[in-house]
Amino acid sequence: DQQVKQNSPSLSVQEGRISILNCDYTNSMFDYFLWYKKYPAEGPTFLISISSIKDKNEDGRFTVFLNKSAKHLSLHIVPSQPGDSAVYFCAARTQGGSEKLVFGKGTKLTVNP
Amino acid sequence: KAGVTQTPRYLIKTRGQQVTLSCSPISGHRSVSWYQQTPGQGLQFLFEYFSETQRNKGNFPGRFSGRQFSNSRSEMNVSTLELGDSALYLCASSIGPHAFFGQGTRLTVV
Repeated sequence: DQQVKQNSPSLSVQEGRISILNCDYTNSMFDYFLWYKKYPAEGPTFLISISSIKDKNEDGRFTVFLNKSAKHLSLHIVPSQPGDSAVYFCAARTQGGSEKLVFGKGTKLTVNP
Repeated sequence: KAGVTQTPRYLIKTRGQQVTLSCSPISGHRSVSWYQQTPGQGLQFLFEYFSETQRNKGNFPGRFSGRQFSNSRSEMNVSTLELGDSALYLCASSIGPHAFFGQGTRLTVV
């Protein structure tokens, strides 16, 4: 049972445009959502997070939106840069005292110059 | 601050052997979690340790085990290695909900 889903395996955008990466979840007990960026053979790098009590969090070029009623979150990158090309993972933490994260399978973003 | 350090970075083992991987968390972080990444399954949670106690465990066989020391450093052990154990093993140290990952250990079982 996949509790966190990233339905688009890949996304290609032009440099300077907006990249929108999507994530759906099924577990209402998730209390925190995080986005990570990953290059091959390296560990994921933390990008941005959002608490389940908020609907938006912004950090520079990165904004995460949370729609609890739809159990959907998205990561917006504006403007996209070629260096943003990587695999992006959505992750969620279940409330209750453990730091276990449940990950989606990732979306490979390619930003074309 | 130094990041999460995992050793070794690469490892080749033979089926049936055992392996121990090491993780040094960020200073001050008491929670350490381990994940397995494979092409087909993505990142899957193995277990989490907090103050030397296993706080949560994923759905992996008993061949996978871990421990945490009083200085928060953690090790994971895989016994009786199988070909399917070939993967990138990632360690994360956490403070609150924010987990920071090491570079990983690439284990190849031949």
